[in-house]
Amino acid sequence: TGVTQSPTHLIKTRGQQVTLSCSPISGHRSVSWYQQTPGQGLQFLFEYFSETQRNKGNFPGRFSGRQFSNSRSEMNVSTLELGDSALYLCASTASGSPKGDEQFFGPGTRLTVL
Amino acid sequence: QKEVEQDPGPLSVPEGAIVSLNCTYSNSAFQYFMWYRQYSRKGPELLMYTYSSGNKEDGRFTAQLNRASQYISLLIRDSKLSDSATYLCVSTTDSWGKLQFGAGTQVVVTP
Repeated sequence: TGVTQSPTHLIKTRGQQVTLSCSPISGHRSVSWYQQTPGQGLQFLFEYFSETQRNKGNFPGRFSGRQFSNSRSEMNVSTLELGDSALYLCASTASGSPKGDEQFFGPGTRLTVL
Repeated sequence: QKEVEQDPGPLSVPEGAIVSLNCTYSNSAFQYFMWYRQYSRKGPELLMYTYSSGNKEDGRFTAQLNRASQYISLLIRDSKLSDSATYLCVSTTDSWGKLQFGAGTQVVVTP
C-alpha cells in the first residue's frame, strides 16, 4: 500500500488546533510534510527521520510535528488562521537521500479554516 | 523570488502533440532535479529524476538538465488525454526532505 493520510477533509474555525496523521510506506523511515495553496504552491514544512526532526522549513512555531517509533507521523497546527487553509501533503522515503531512493506522496488532507 | 520558476500555464495542446515544459532554478547548490505530475485532488507522483547534465529518457518522457544555464525541461511526446495534469518542477540540495517546488504548469490535452 502507499502513503496514507487521515482525515481526508477537515473543517475548523479560527483559533482552533488540528492534528493530521500520516502513515508512510512500510519500511520507510523518512516522512516529510508539505503545505499546498493556490497562491504559494507546495512549500516544505518539516522532515522527520527515525523520530527526529531532520529538516525544517520557514513556517511559524504554530506548525509542529512528531514521528513515532513505527514511523507514523503527525503534524499539529495550533491557533488556526484563515491562511492555514490548504492541502497538507505527507511524503515518505526509505532513507531521505535522493541517491537511489524515491519519495512517495500521500493523497493529502484538505484543511478548511472558517 | 522562488528558487524554482516555471510558467504556470495553462498550456493547451491537441492529443498526439509534443508538450514542452521549462523550468529555471536560481540556487546553484541544487543537486537533484525532478518532475512530478499532479492530478486534481491527488498527491504528486514522481515522473522523472536526474542529477547530471544531459537528457534522460523514459518512454514518452524526456527530461533535460543544463547545469550551466540552470535550466530544466520536460518533453512529453505523443501526448494523451491522461497527460492532462499539473507538472511540477522540483529541486533539492541533498535530501528528499527539503524539496523546492516550482509553481507548477497546468497542461490540458484536448481531443
